[in-house]
Amino acid sequence: AQSVAQPEDQVNVAEGNPLTVKCTYSVSGNPYLFWYVQYPNRGLQFLLKYITGDNLVKGSYGFEAEFNKSQTSFHLKKPSALVSDSALYFCAVRERYSTLTFGKGTMLLVSP
Amino acid sequence: EPEVTQTPSHQVTQMGQEVILRCVPISNHLYFYWYRQILGQKVEFLVSFYNNEISEKSEIFDDQFSVERPDGSNFTLKIRSTKLEDSAMYFCASSDRGGDYGYTFGSGTRLTVV
Repeated sequence: AQSVAQPEDQVNVAEGNPLTVKCTYSVSGNPYLFWYVQYPNRGLQFLLKYITGDNLVKGSYGFEAEFNKSQTSFHLKKPSALVSDSALYFCAVRERYSTLTFGKGTMLLVSP
Repeated sequence: EPEVTQTPSHQVTQMGQEVILRCVPISNHLYFYWYRQILGQKVEFLVSFYNNEISEKSEIFDDQFSVERPDGSNFTLKIRSTKLEDSAMYFCASSDRGGDYGYTFGSGTRLTVV
């Protein structure tokens, strides 16, 4: 069965500093990996995905993520955090022909 | 940009009542999904739907739940007799090509069972 682990409930970072939100996954085949963001009282917004190809993928709002097959990780990164990046971030994984499985989410708090 | 639309945004219902949550997926998508998020907890898969039938469902999706695509545009989730523990945010999503490019989620319906 596929699964996702987000080891941090919350990540705190100062505005302008780099941020990393961690994600590791477990699948039996090739993973399709996604990051979604949820702002308060809003739905899930797609940020970026890895399907195949370059291990470093770039997404919306300056976010990027690096697929590391040996460490089964897909950490979300941004070089310079903004206060407006404060939100709940979900990592998700699926294999081909399976449905999307989410991690428990990580709250990102960016302080001014 | 195409959106998935969910109505209502918030529904309050009494325990034991039936509720229907409505979704309008993106028009050229073929795969439809319902997920739920109990307050403060993870987003959980309920059911997927393709070609007018359920393709997969989770343990949560018991006989109290049903889905329907009553016409060419709507996709509904019915909870037959609501329980307090059904209180959650329910998200509809749709995808093309089985979701290779991710799912597009609606903004959710917050269901409160009292």
